[in-house]
Amino acid sequence: AQSVTQLGSHVSVSEGALVLLRCNYSSSVPPYLFWYVQYPNQGLQLLLKYTSAATLVKGINGFEAEFKKSETSFHLTKPSAHMSDAAEYFCAVSVPQGGSEKLVFGKGTKLTVNP
Amino acid sequence: NAGVTQTPKFRILKIGQSMTLQCTQDMNHNYMYWYRQDPGMGLKLIYYSVGAGITDKGEVPNGYNVSRSTTEDFPLRLELAAPSQTSVYFCASSQPRLNTEAFFGQGTRLTVV
Repeated sequence: AQSVTQLGSHVSVSEGALVLLRCNYSSSVPPYLFWYVQYPNQGLQLLLKYTSAATLVKGINGFEAEFKKSETSFHLTKPSAHMSDAAEYFCAVSVPQGGSEKLVFGKGTKLTVNP
Repeated sequence: NAGVTQTPKFRILKIGQSMTLQCTQDMNHNYMYWYRQDPGMGLKLIYYSVGAGITDKGEVPNGYNVSRSTTEDFPLRLELAAPSQTSVYFCASSQPRLNTEAFFGQGTRLTVV
């Protein structure tokens, strides 16, 4: 079954430091992978997605992720953290289900940015 | 565009009560979903629909029911609320392709006491 695993439920960085949020996937077919962000008391919004066109994917707010098939990973990075990046981040994989598709989410990583 | 709209935003229910969480989208998406989010557990799929008149169970459907009479609306019904249904509920919609994003509502925070 296709799934994603996020390593680290909490990550804390200083403002200006590198952000690295880890996601590994399990899939028997080429996966469609997503990163979503959830700000406090809000719904999820798309940061970026991998759809096989390019292994390095750029998203909103300076985030990017690299698809590495050999490592079955899709880690999210940002060179310099900003206070406004504090949020919960979810990695997800799109899987076929009974003629439709569904998103399978990781458990989330809460990012704290310290001044 | 309003996108995906959920009502209410907050609700407190007593054990055994029933309620309907409303969800409507204005993007003409075929697919709609209901997820619940519990701390440290990510999002779990409750029910989904691929079009008007078609619904199916997700991972955690027990205690819930849905209907899809129109493309726009996908209400979630809780019968006989239980404390285990205390959660944040999200409705989402998408186009029917594996590589398209889902659009989420703002969520409904439900507490069952």
